[in-house]
Amino acid sequence: SQQGEEDPQALSIQEGENATMNCSYKTSINNLQWYRQNSGRGLVHLILIRSNEREKHSGRLRVTLDTSKKSSSLLITASRAADTASYFCATDLRLGSGTYKYIFGTGTRLKVLA
Amino acid sequence: GAVVSQHPSWVICKSGTSVKIECRSLDFQATTMFWYRQFPKQSLMLMATSNEGSKATYEQGVEKDKFLINHASLTLSTLTVTSAHPEDSSFYICSARGGGGYGYTFGSGTRLTVV
Repeated sequence: SQQGEEDPQALSIQEGENATMNCSYKTSINNLQWYRQNSGRGLVHLILIRSNEREKHSGRLRVTLDTSKKSSSLLITASRAADTASYFCATDLRLGSGTYKYIFGTGTRLKVLA
Repeated sequence: GAVVSQHPSWVICKSGTSVKIECRSLDFQATTMFWYRQFPKQSLMLMATSNEGSKATYEQGVEKDKFLINHASLTLSTLTVTSAHPEDSSFYICSARGGGGYGYTFGSGTRLTVV
């Protein structure tokens, strides 16, 4: 099952431009995280934002969270060719009886042209 | 930091055979592990949640008799793809909850090719 829908599905920009990816989710969350995945490789954790936070920064990354709209955005500033990858949001769902579920969004394929 | 070791990193098997993938948490105990499958250019789809000492919880549409999950200890979960077919070829990734600041640590994935 997919919790998050991401848009755009694919994004192609020139080096130096900013890239914005959006993630919408369906149910209440504990936190939301963004990951990066190079083609055919494992996941790299980028940033976590908790449900009581609205914005976080990490280097060239800026993440916002709007729990009222159930959406989050990832902004990569001054993009580089090396940022070319797929980006996924993931949400931590607390279910009953202390159990959890960790669901990924559909992902955005970013291509940064040199 | 917390590490999850996943083996093998890639495997090629013949149709009809079974393949076992291991996911081991190093230096921390993982009461819950998650198994995902990822097809090319698609996202990670949660297959099942594996709880130590109890039966795994499978997502809708995932055949529990085909994808056998065993979480016999707090540091090891295994996924066995039984009677594999070419359509089972995919990238399988495990994740363990616990051991890190944000709670989830991922294995490096296993690329399964069924010929």
